[in-house]
Amino acid sequence: AQKVTQAQTEISVVEKEDVTLDCVYETRDTTYYLFWYKQPPSGELVFLIRRNSFDEQNEISGRYSWNFQKSTSSFNFTITASQVVDSAVYFCALSDYSGGGADGLTFGKGTHLIIQP
Amino acid sequence: DAGVTQSPTHLIKTRGQQVTLRCSPKSGHDTVSWYQQALGQGPQFIFQYYEEEERQRGNFPDRFSGHQFPNYSSELNVNALLLGDSALYLCASRRAGEANEQFFGPGTRLTVL
Repeated sequence: AQKVTQAQTEISVVEKEDVTLDCVYETRDTTYYLFWYKQPPSGELVFLIRRNSFDEQNEISGRYSWNFQKSTSSFNFTITASQVVDSAVYFCALSDYSGGGADGLTFGKGTHLIIQP
Repeated sequence: DAGVTQSPTHLIKTRGQQVTLRCSPKSGHDTVSWYQQALGQGPQFIFQYYEEEERQRGNFPDRFSGHQFPNYSSELNVNALLLGDSALYLCASRRAGEANEQFFGPGTRLTVL
């Protein structure tokens, strides 16, 4: 069975600080996908990134970066120079790949990130 | 280009009643998934529809059923509502055969009294 663990329930930092959100996953599949989603107070999940299991390159997008380490089954997310608008709940998710595309997502419980001005 | 839309936005029901939630996928998408998100929790996968058939199902009882129409829109039906069914129900769509991100709708907030 698949499992995603986000051990940090809530993180509070002051604006402009860097912050890292941890994600550890479990799966028996050799091909899978990892995702990060942002959920602002409005409730709609916003896609941030998808990474497949055979691509361990780290990725940077503006102030966001992701560190995928297959050896430790981790897919951590770092926000550099955080801003108040980054305040939200962030979810890490995992899915199999069945050949027809990504299957249903298994989500972690989320990390509530609070950026204080 | 409209994204994923869901209706209604909010709904209040009583225990034992039945409810139907609706979802229209993003233009060009043919695969629809439904998720249940309880307060303070991550979304949980209910099921996925493609070509008007249920293709994959999560760990939810048979009280949860769905349907997909020829225009790819979808319904989620829940029978014999329980207090524990109170949650935000999210619909997501994507194109089949592509490992693209699933686009999520704004959700329907269901309250069971």
